[in-house]
Amino acid sequence: GENVEQHPSTLSVQEGDSAVIKCTYSDSASNYFPWYKQELGKRPQLIIDIRSNVGEKKDQRIAVTLNKTAKHFSLHITETQPEDSAVYFCAASANSGGGADGLTFGKGTHLIIQP
Amino acid sequence: DAGVIQSPRHEVTEMGQEVTLRCKPISGHNSLFWYRQTMMRGLELLIYFNNNVPIDDSGMPEDRFSAKMPNASFSTLKIQPSEPRDSAVYFCATSWINEAFFGQGTRLTVV
Repeated sequence: GENVEQHPSTLSVQEGDSAVIKCTYSDSASNYFPWYKQELGKRPQLIIDIRSNVGEKKDQRIAVTLNKTAKHFSLHITETQPEDSAVYFCAASANSGGGADGLTFGKGTHLIIQP
Repeated sequence: DAGVIQSPRHEVTEMGQEVTLRCKPISGHNSLFWYRQTMMRGLELLIYFNNNVPIDDSGMPEDRFSAKMPNASFSTLKIQPSEPRDSAVYFCATSWINEAFFGQGTRLTVV
């Protein structure tokens, strides 16, 4: 089955600086890579996703890159703000269309934005 | 749509008791997932259904855990008998093609 490794487990950055979270996956059949943000006591929510047919995707201050050859993908947050503080999870699945296969999640990164 | 609805939100039970967690998916979503979240192990996929059929239950920890999806609008996760190490937040998530939407979770405490 799929195995997703995520690093670092905790990341502390100064407000306004950039944050980068990295993930690797094991199953070459995986083709869908979402990122979820979980605030304290709340449910995980999708913030951005990428498919294997593209190498990069941006949405305002958030970007995700994918290297299929190396089987790794990363989340980049620029100009960090206090509201970015949360736990971020990467995930991977072999999305076959007509219904997602089960997502395998990384262990999460606790992002702390220092004022 | 009210989103994925889970009940109860909190459950405290004694070791050995049966626990049933419930999930109502978003209408039209054909995939449903049960996850368990703990500090030590993160988010673990327990089982997922596609069109009400269990596709992969390899994440179910042991025979004490069982899940059903009798129709497209309801699923249950049952633990019998429960043990203290089952204490966790259990999330149900549903999906149609892409994004998985999570319910608010059930915080289970087994004492």
